[in-house]
Amino acid sequence: GESVGLHLPTLSVQEGDNSIINCAYSNSASDYFIWYKQESGKGPQFIIDIRSNMDKRQGQRVTVLLNKTVKHLSLQIAATQPGDSAVYFCAENFGNEKLTFGTGTRLTIIP
Amino acid sequence: DTEVTQTPKHLVMGMTNKKSLKCEQHMGHRAMYWYKQKAKKPPELMFVYSYEKLSINESVPSRFSPECPNSSLLNLHLHALQPEDSALYLCASSQDEYGGPGTEAFFGQGTRLTVV
Repeated sequence: GESVGLHLPTLSVQEGDNSIINCAYSNSASDYFIWYKQESGKGPQFIIDIRSNMDKRQGQRVTVLLNKTVKHLSLQIAATQPGDSAVYFCAENFGNEKLTFGTGTRLTIIP
Repeated sequence: DTEVTQTPKHLVMGMTNKKSLKCEQHMGHRAMYWYKQKAKKPPELMFVYSYEKLSINESVPSRFSPECPNSSLLNLHLHALQPEDSALYLCASSQDEYGGPGTEAFFGQGTRLTVV
């Protein structure tokens, strides 16, 4: 069946370093992907999205890479800051209302 | 205004109680969603309303009853819940019901529900 999964459940990164969070998906028909950030006690916050006809998209300090050949998605956060500590979810959409979330990666920034 | 507002923030209810969760958005979004999130787990879709009509029910037990009074409001009525229903209930909205750029879902802060 379709699934969206993450390679690592936890990730610790030194403040100022770059972070890379990975996500694997299995449905080749997926055409839209979103990264969300969820801080403790809060709802998920949209970070960046990418369509399946793109390989890369950049935002402020964040870059999403999509490799359709191996069905892999990654989120790169440049110069991580303490405020980046959160759980990061990739989510998958098949062109309808249904957004399927991956299992999440907890990112901890070490001062 | 880019907020989705949920009330209450916290709710404790007994298994025989009836309560309602409320969600409001003023972004003109036409799709609204209820998600359930257990601790250390991703959000799981429960219901989707599109243009005020229920379009998806993810086989949610009937003790959860959604309602969309108008395009800005979404309620979730709760009755005879079980302790395992304790979770964070998230409301979200998006511009349209179809996926793709510009239709990403915006989430509220959630209601932390505890069933005793």
